[in-house]
Amino acid sequence: ELKVEQNPLFLSMQEGKNYTIYCNYSTTSDRLYWYRQDPGKSLESLFVLLSNGAVKQEGRLMASLDTKARLSTLHITAAVHDLSATYFCAVDIRRGADGLTFGKGTHLIIQP
Amino acid sequence: GAVVSQHPSWVICKSGTSVKIECRSLDFQATTMFWYRQFPKQSLMLMATSNEGSKATYEQGVEKDKFLINHASLTLSTLTVTSAHPEDSSFYICSARGDSITDTQYFGPGTRLTVL
Repeated sequence: ELKVEQNPLFLSMQEGKNYTIYCNYSTTSDRLYWYRQDPGKSLESLFVLLSNGAVKQEGRLMASLDTKARLSTLHITAAVHDLSATYFCAVDIRRGADGLTFGKGTHLIIQP
Repeated sequence: GAVVSQHPSWVICKSGTSVKIECRSLDFQATTMFWYRQFPKQSLMLMATSNEGSKATYEQGVEKDKFLINHASLTLSTLTVTSAHPEDSSFYICSARGDSITDTQYFGPGTRLTVL
């Protein structure tokens, strides 16, 4: 059974600081997704990581994937309040044939 | 980008009634759609995989007679919660996968179901 573990599950940080969210998964996969969810809303796609060593950046967020370590990271640089949300990683082990297995999510609060 | 819609966005019903939720891919054909459920402050859990023209595949622990899924066309899948009870109250989110090389799933806006 595929397990996806995120940590931390809750993070409170100040604006301007840097931090990293970690996502470990238990089964070989070369596809990993990061999503953002605001309260009461559905998921917003942030990154799709398709191969070992993949790194993608958008604004203050950067995601990377190490398939050998079965680890993905989401790095936040110089956080701003607007980035407050819940972030999920999700793993796809059969190229879309199955649904995604999600981590429990990281609830991020960025205080001014 | 690809857009997935859901209808209704929220619904309140009495215990024992059935509720139908629609999931549509608006600008692409989706051979596969997925239904997820999210309880408050929890993660998304896959309920079932819906393939156009065939029976849905349900995840372990999901009652197929209670959660009826129909994927009658390449742009529409429906989830019917039959004889709903308060414990079925949840946020139901569908996603659709096209045939692009990345096989990205596009998520709908979700349907919040409250059963009284």
